[in-house]
Amino acid sequence: EPEVTQTPSHQVTQMGQEVILRCVPISNHLYFYWYRQILGQKVEFLVSFYNNEISEKSEIFDDQFSVERPDGSNFTLKIRSTKLEDSAMYFCASSWEVSLHFGNGTRLTVT
Amino acid sequence: GNSVTQMEGPVTLSEEAFLTINCTYTATGYPSLFWYVQYPGEGLQLLLKATKADDKGSNKGFEATYRKETTSFHLEKGSVQVSDSAVYFCALSYSGGSNYKLTFGKGTLLTVNP
Repeated sequence: EPEVTQTPSHQVTQMGQEVILRCVPISNHLYFYWYRQILGQKVEFLVSFYNNEISEKSEIFDDQFSVERPDGSNFTLKIRSTKLEDSAMYFCASSWEVSLHFGNGTRLTVT
Repeated sequence: GNSVTQMEGPVTLSEEAFLTINCTYTATGYPSLFWYVQYPGEGLQLLLKATKADDKGSNKGFEATYRKETTSFHLEKGSVQVSDSAVYFCALSYSGGSNYKLTFGKGTLLTVNP
């Protein structure tokens, strides 16, 4: 069965550094998403992407965040200058319609 | 706005016990409703869904019925196994036209003991 794959599985970075989280969505899907889950808390929506543009973003998704689909297969989330509170599990998801398929996540640790 | 409220955990059961995890929602229009499961160290997996009122979603012995009159989507299983130990998330999706964004509840940790 096709899967959403995310790399790396764990990323450690220093505060103020830029990080790029990578995702390969399922190939025939049209809608792409990033979510995050701070340890022990709920899964929060960050951004959705459709037709090569952001379709919706949350309050969390401020100017420090950006997304890109550079080559028709990868879908990336960039955090320009990481803060301690960005430490979380980041999940990529894709969908063809109403059912989202999630990757296994990237655990980002900001020190 | 849209929101999901689910039963606070953790829930601890013995193997073969009956499981209910309550979920209620607030939404405009007619959302689709989902249960996702997160096994330790893994991502979120779709367990079951229902896209309209009175639909019953089912998978792996789990069931949930979309009740519009009570705005609920409670998860049930007649006989749980140790392998069902995981975090369960109730979620809704209300298509805004160009995405199917999910809004999640806080999650309920289920532990099943042998």
